[in-house]
Amino acid sequence: GAGVSQSPSNKVTEKGKDVELRCDPISGHTALYWYRQSLGQGLEFLIYFQGNSAPDKSGLPSDRFSAERTGGSVSTLTIQRTQQEDSAVYLCASSLTPGAETQYFGPGTRLLVL
Amino acid sequence: AQSVSQHNHHVILSEAASLELGCNYSYGGTVNLFWYVQYPGQHLQLLLKYFSGDPLVKGIKGFEAEFIKSKFSFNLRKPSVQWSDTAEYFCAGTGGSQGNLIFGKGTKLSVKP
Repeated sequence: GAGVSQSPSNKVTEKGKDVELRCDPISGHTALYWYRQSLGQGLEFLIYFQGNSAPDKSGLPSDRFSAERTGGSVSTLTIQRTQQEDSAVYLCASSLTPGAETQYFGPGTRLLVL
Repeated sequence: AQSVSQHNHHVILSEAASLELGCNYSYGGTVNLFWYVQYPGQHLQLLLKYFSGDPLVKGIKGFEAEFIKSKFSFNLRKPSVQWSDTAEYFCAGTGGSQGNLIFGKGTKLSVKP
């Protein structure tokens, strides 16, 4: 596709359940970023992939969060044992190369934890 | 710590009014700055960007921004806003250690017809 796509667009889950969010970056983009957008917190960076490798996972809010990227393309963000404070819009962005390049954002996954 | 700050939380203007949204950054090194816009129900879109060269950059839909290094500022301007400019505007910079963007809190712009 022409842009970054994410699925699902909306996810409602019960507290304690696991959720998996998917991101398809723009074809050929080697850098992939996950951000979270929540009320009061604005847009915060979660994790970055260069190819399939995430050099630094310290941006993830807790050890319940994990992410992987396979084949240098699709990435999944997994949240285990979801909590109500995980409710937010999870955004994925990709860029041709890391650093100074423009990042292109997907539509996001709106997660609501009841 | 590296940061990007936006001064206005919510701006309300009438159509044809001029717009200036403030953005300040606080980090050293190479400065790459962006303005993104998020229209209601839509995803973040790039308005304009500054990497180097002419400090006055022009973007889509008549927007422009000026990078003033001495003031650590990158304010967004538009001479005459339209109702369709109603959106949330985010200033961001590539100050993160992993090339990630550091965002301001955003400014919600409401344009009254």
